[in-house]
Amino acid sequence: NAGVTQTPKFRVLKTGQSMTLLCAQDMNHEYMYWYRQDPGMGLRLIHYSVGEGTTAKGEVPDGYNVSRLKKQNFLLGLESAAPSQTSVYFCASSTRTSVADTQYFGPGTRLTVL
Amino acid sequence: GESVGLHLPTLSVQEGDNSIINCAYSNSASDYFIWYKQESGKGPQFIIDIRSNMDKRQGQRVTVLLNKTVKHLSLQIAATQPGDSAVYFCADGPRGGGADGLTFGKGTHLIIQP
Repeated sequence: NAGVTQTPKFRVLKTGQSMTLLCAQDMNHEYMYWYRQDPGMGLRLIHYSVGEGTTAKGEVPDGYNVSRLKKQNFLLGLESAAPSQTSVYFCASSTRTSVADTQYFGPGTRLTVL
Repeated sequence: GESVGLHLPTLSVQEGDNSIINCAYSNSASDYFIWYKQESGKGPQFIIDIRSNMDKRQGQRVTVLLNKTVKHLSLQIAATQPGDSAVYFCADGPRGGGADGLTFGKGTHLIIQP
């Protein structure tokens, strides 16, 4: 099992450009999440999905869109990148229950917006 | 969401000693807690979790203690090794209902002195 994979690993964008980050998991997990991590900060939730075809906003959703067309994939889109979106982005998946949510993370995508 | 914080941004310990990393939480209704280890350039890696109906849980070389009276959580690492050097995050799990991800603290950087 590869677990959770993310592509690309690194990307540099100019302000106003768009891009899509891809997350894939092979653990048959229902729940998937996108987080961002800024220096000296914990991870902050951007968007999440509780199953194929569903998406919902997290703590910091502005400037991002997501899609979950297939259970194993969760895409994060930036329509018009801004320097404030320079960050490391992590995807996670889990088999959440009513009392636990062990999330498994990908290796991250380091994005720089100039 | 609720905040989950760690007491110290950096903790330095001698190799072979035990390490104790602390975390405080503010929401008395929190029912699930989880510890992650993040090595430089990698995604967070699950270490151990604990539910609010427990006060102690042990894993391999790690123990998590939960004190609900003072809303305090700690991670103990026995016989610290160089490979334990990383940033450690505590996170507050879901409170039932929607899958709203984990709320992370800012992390403690554990430094191992030879």
